[in-house]
Amino acid sequence: AQSVTQLDSHVSVSEGTPVLLRCNYSSSYSPSLFWYVQHPNKGLQLLLKYTSAATLVKGINGFEAEFKKSETSFHLTKPSAHMSDAAEYFCVVRPTRPTSGTYKYIFGTGTRLKVLA
Amino acid sequence: DGGITQSPKYLFRKEGQNVTLSCEQNLNHDAMYWYRQDPGQGLRLIYYSQIVNDFQKGDIAEGYSVSREKKESFPLTVTSAQKNPTAFYLCASSIGLAGGLGETQYFGPGTRLLVL
Repeated sequence: AQSVTQLDSHVSVSEGTPVLLRCNYSSSYSPSLFWYVQHPNKGLQLLLKYTSAATLVKGINGFEAEFKKSETSFHLTKPSAHMSDAAEYFCVVRPTRPTSGTYKYIFGTGTRLKVLA
Repeated sequence: DGGITQSPKYLFRKEGQNVTLSCEQNLNHDAMYWYRQDPGQGLRLIYYSQIVNDFQKGDIAEGYSVSREKKESFPLTVTSAQKNPTAFYLCASSIGLAGGLGETQYFGPGTRLLVL
């Protein structure tokens, strides 16, 4: 069965310090992996995605994530946090083979990032 | 300007009432999805549609219904059978459920449903 676990429900960092949001996945086959950001009362915006090409993926707004198959992880990082980064972040796994005949996106429960001035 | 629109932004439901949430996309996508978001639970799939005139139940379909009569539109009805409808509802679309690597979902701005 496929699943995704975001290890921290809340993360607080000071402005200008690094950000690390952790995500572990479980999948029978090599999945596609995504990070989305959601600002309050808004829809989800794609930050970056991994699709079995380069293991280090660069996204928008200075974010990047590294796919580590041996650790089944896809952690999101940013070298220097900005106040505008305060939001909720979702890690999503999409198996590349169907389960019960369908392809589904499986969402983590989210990590709320707080940036302190 | 391509994208997904949802309306209304806020919706109030009275006891025993059915309400319909609108979702429209002009991205020419075949697949569309409805998710429910509750605090601390991530997104849960209600219904999805791979193509016009076809749709499938997701993980929490009870108390909801959908239709897909046009490619651009995928309305969601929250029926009176849904006893706990208060949530944030998100519509999404993607090119198609063909399983292509890295197929991305694009999301609308959401509708917040509240019970009076």
